[in-house]
Amino acid sequence: EAGVAQSPRYKIIEKRQSVAFWCNPISGHATLYWYQQILGQGPKLLIQFQNNGVVDDSQLPKDRFSAERLKGVDSTLKIQPAKLEDSAVYLCASSLASHQDTQYFGPGTRLTVL
Amino acid sequence: AQSVTQPDIHITVSEGASLELRCNYSYGATPYLFWYVQSPGQGLQLLLKYFSGDTLVQGIKGFEAEFKRSQSSFNLRKPSVHWSDAAEYFCAVGASGTYKYIFGTGTRLKVLA
Repeated sequence: EAGVAQSPRYKIIEKRQSVAFWCNPISGHATLYWYQQILGQGPKLLIQFQNNGVVDDSQLPKDRFSAERLKGVDSTLKIQPAKLEDSAVYLCASSLASHQDTQYFGPGTRLTVL
Repeated sequence: AQSVTQPDIHITVSEGASLELRCNYSYGATPYLFWYVQSPGQGLQLLLKYFSGDTLVQGIKGFEAEFKRSQSSFNLRKPSVHWSDAAEYFCAVGASGTYKYIFGTGTRLKVLA
């Protein structure tokens, strides 16, 4: 079974530029999550989708971050404009559907904002 | 609100020694509890999880964890550490009925040959 795919793996941009990350979850997984992991911290949930609907985006900085999940499969997370404090690893995870289902994580995208 | 504390930022053990990583949580009801491992440049991999039932949970790679409600703890153990266990370990708590996990800040494990 293929795992969660993410691209790119690394991205370096200057502040005020925009950036987008892509995630392809495990086939059949209805729930998709985006996490932000700042160096030295645990992952923090940014947004959660159930199929193509948003379940929780309470910690997403909506003035600069946006995310979509078209057709309930792939998802993109965008930052525009980026700030220095956005430097982090962005992790995508997916699970079947139930809150008891394991979340499977992708390798992450490491973003450096200069 | 849920919270997770991992008191040890770094732990160093010799290969073959036993290991215990501490995790304390705060949650009003019975939580869902998880341990994940993250190797450099990798995503998180689930080691084990507790939802209900037997409080001693067996996981992959020889790890186990014990849920102690009275101490609000879910410590991870391994009887004999291998060099390949060097990684960062995250404890997480989930609220029953929701999909949201709260992660601790992690414990970085170093294994001496």
